[in-house]
Amino acid sequence: DTGVSQDPRHKITKRGQNVTFRCDPISEHNRLYWYRQTLGQGPEFLTYFQNEAQLEKSRLLSDRFSAERPKGSFSTLEIQRTEQGDSAMYLCASSIIAEIYGYTFGSGTRLTVV
Amino acid sequence: AQSVTQLDSQVPVFEEAPVELRCNYSSSVSVYLFWYVQYPNQGLQLLLKYLSGSTLVESINGFEAEFNKSQTSFHLRKPSVHISDTAEYFCAVSDQGAQKLVFGQGTRLTINP
Repeated sequence: DTGVSQDPRHKITKRGQNVTFRCDPISEHNRLYWYRQTLGQGPEFLTYFQNEAQLEKSRLLSDRFSAERPKGSFSTLEIQRTEQGDSAMYLCASSIIAEIYGYTFGSGTRLTVV
Repeated sequence: AQSVTQLDSQVPVFEEAPVELRCNYSSSVSVYLFWYVQYPNQGLQLLLKYLSGSTLVESINGFEAEFNKSQTSFHLRKPSVHISDTAEYFCAVSDQGAQKLVFGQGTRLTINP
């Protein structure tokens, strides 16, 4: 297992288009988190799953954003009708017994909306 | 709700000098504390964490952090920095349900030769 994988690494899209990102967590990790990081800021929590259940969503996650984790394995984050303000690095992390082992982050997907 | 404040957005130091990156948190419940490091063009990597027990925690590359409950702080220190320590450092807190991390704004550590 090579860690948390995110695809694509970079995405450039035109304003108004829909985009979808994928995250493959470490296989035995039951929790999966999405964060957004803008330039010069710390990561901001978006949502998290325990297995296939989405347990919490941030107010940052507007109705244009949707996340899924079918079967409790990989997860997708979709942004509909992208806006320039959506340009950011989208980070995925996974964990199991986070209080002991911490969280493992992927390298992120950098979204640029033009 | 938890929050984290990293008091310095940038810290420039000379190589082999000591450094301290400051972190204060607020929370109404017991927390776990973390420091993550982000090297240029790379993802976040866990540097060290405080869960319980000894208030002084150490990383394998010479960093240490001390949990101070009365001052709600978790400052990161290294007695002698190297050029390779150049990175962005993020302090983070989670409640003891470990449901999500709340990050500070980050501190950019720049090492000058």
